[in-house]
Amino acid sequence: GDSVTQMEGPVTLSEEAFLTINCTYTATGYPSLFWYVQYPGEGLQLLLKATKADDKGSNKGFEATYRKETTSFHLEKGSVQVSDSAVYFCALSNAGGTSYGKLTFGQGTILTVHP
Amino acid sequence: NAGVMQNPRHLVRRRGQEARLRCSPMKGHSHVYWYRQLPEEGLKFMVYLQKENIIDESGMPKERFSAEFPKEGPSILRIQQVVRGDSAAYFCASSDRGLAEAFFGQGTRLTVV
Repeated sequence: GDSVTQMEGPVTLSEEAFLTINCTYTATGYPSLFWYVQYPGEGLQLLLKATKADDKGSNKGFEATYRKETTSFHLEKGSVQVSDSAVYFCALSNAGGTSYGKLTFGQGTILTVHP
Repeated sequence: NAGVMQNPRHLVRRRGQEARLRCSPMKGHSHVYWYRQLPEEGLKFMVYLQKENIIDESGMPKERFSAEFPKEGPSILRIQQVVRGDSAAYFCASSDRGLAEAFFGQGTRLTVV
């Protein structure tokens, strides 16, 4: 079945450092890929998405490119802020193009940014 | 526009009792998804419902678990005769159509003692 693997956490960075969180997937067909973020005490929020190969999703300075050849969707940000501290989840949807709500999630990566 | 509302936020049940978790989707949303997050694991899909219909229950345990989304009122995830292994965070998400962003609630943390 489908699966998503994220880099092990937690990740601790200083403010303004470069961020990469690796994500690779296994899926049949042509899944859509997502990054969700969960701030303390809140529900998951969609951060960005890409629905086909070579698409780049971007939001709030975060970017990720759908790489079908390497089955990857790594999350990057050039300069992190303390307010980016959260748990980040990579996910895919492979419901035959009928639903973006049925998702397969990675295990999540805790990011802590220090001033 | 209020977000997805889940209640209660925390629920404690003794082994053998029933747990009822409620999810009110965002206004105008008719698609609801339930997920379970066990400790140290990612979220796992359980069930996808539209009003009065179960669309996909491929992630639901075969016994003790059921879900409904009636014409009126919230979606309910029901766990009968809870066991310690049911202790987890349960998240609900909703969307206004299939190919649309799913918005998540804050979750219900179930503890079975």
